[in-house]
Amino acid sequence: AQSVTQLGSHVSVSEGALVLLRCNYSSSVPPYLFWYVQYPNQGLQLLLKYTSAATLVKGINGFEAEFKKSETSFHLTKPSAHMSDAAEYFCAVSDQTGTYKYIFGTGTRLKVLA
Amino acid sequence: GAGVSQSPSNKVTEKGKDVELRCDPISGHTALYWYRQSLGQGLEFLIYFQGNSAPDKSGLPSDRFSAERTGGSVSTLTIQRTQQEDSAVYLCASSTRWTSGGEQYFGPGTRLTVT
Repeated sequence: AQSVTQLGSHVSVSEGALVLLRCNYSSSVPPYLFWYVQYPNQGLQLLLKYTSAATLVKGINGFEAEFKKSETSFHLTKPSAHMSDAAEYFCAVSDQTGTYKYIFGTGTRLKVLA
Repeated sequence: GAGVSQSPSNKVTEKGKDVELRCDPISGHTALYWYRQSLGQGLEFLIYFQGNSAPDKSGLPSDRFSAERTGGSVSTLTIQRTQQEDSAVYLCASSTRWTSGGEQYFGPGTRLTVT
C-alpha cells in the first residue's frame, strides 16, 4: 500500500530564510507525487507535481521539489521565505490501482517569522 | 475560468439530522472525488466518480454516507443521521484525466458542524 509521511507538523522559519518541508513516500510502483498548499478557510491549491519526467520540479510561488528515488523523498523547498507563504502544506501520492485518488500526508503548518 | 464550487460553505446541523453537500466540478472534468478533512484523521478519501463507471465507495466511513453524481457533472454527498464525529471539512475535487499524473482541482470545501 502506498503511504506518505511528512516530518514536522509545524515548521517555523524567519522571513528570507530557506524553507524545507519534508515528504517521504512508500510505493511499490513509480509514484506520482504532489505538493498542495492550503490557506486558512480555503481549498487546496497545487504547488507542483512529479510525474516521472524531470526529478527537479519547479512550481508556483518560487517553490521547487526534488524527487529522490534512493531516499524515497520529495522534499519541498523555497530559497527565501515570504510572509505570504504561511499556510499548511500537504504532500500527496496518487494511488495507481485505478482511481488515482490521493493519499495525503498529515500536513505541515509553516509559520514565517518577521 | 470557473473552478470547483461547493455549497453550502458552512453547515451547522443537529445530531441525527440529514445533510446534503453539493459539488460543481470544473466543466469537462470527468473524474470527481470527495475527501474529508478532520483534526483527528487528516485528509481522507471518501468516494470517486469517473464518467459512467460505478463509483469507488471504498472510503465511505459508514452506510450513513452516500453520494451521487447526476449527468456526469454535479455531485451530492449525503450524510444521514449525522453524528458529532461527522464534523469536518468536506472537500470536492475534479480532474480532467483519470490517468496517473492528472492533478486534482479542489473546491473551497464545506465546513460541517454537528451539534
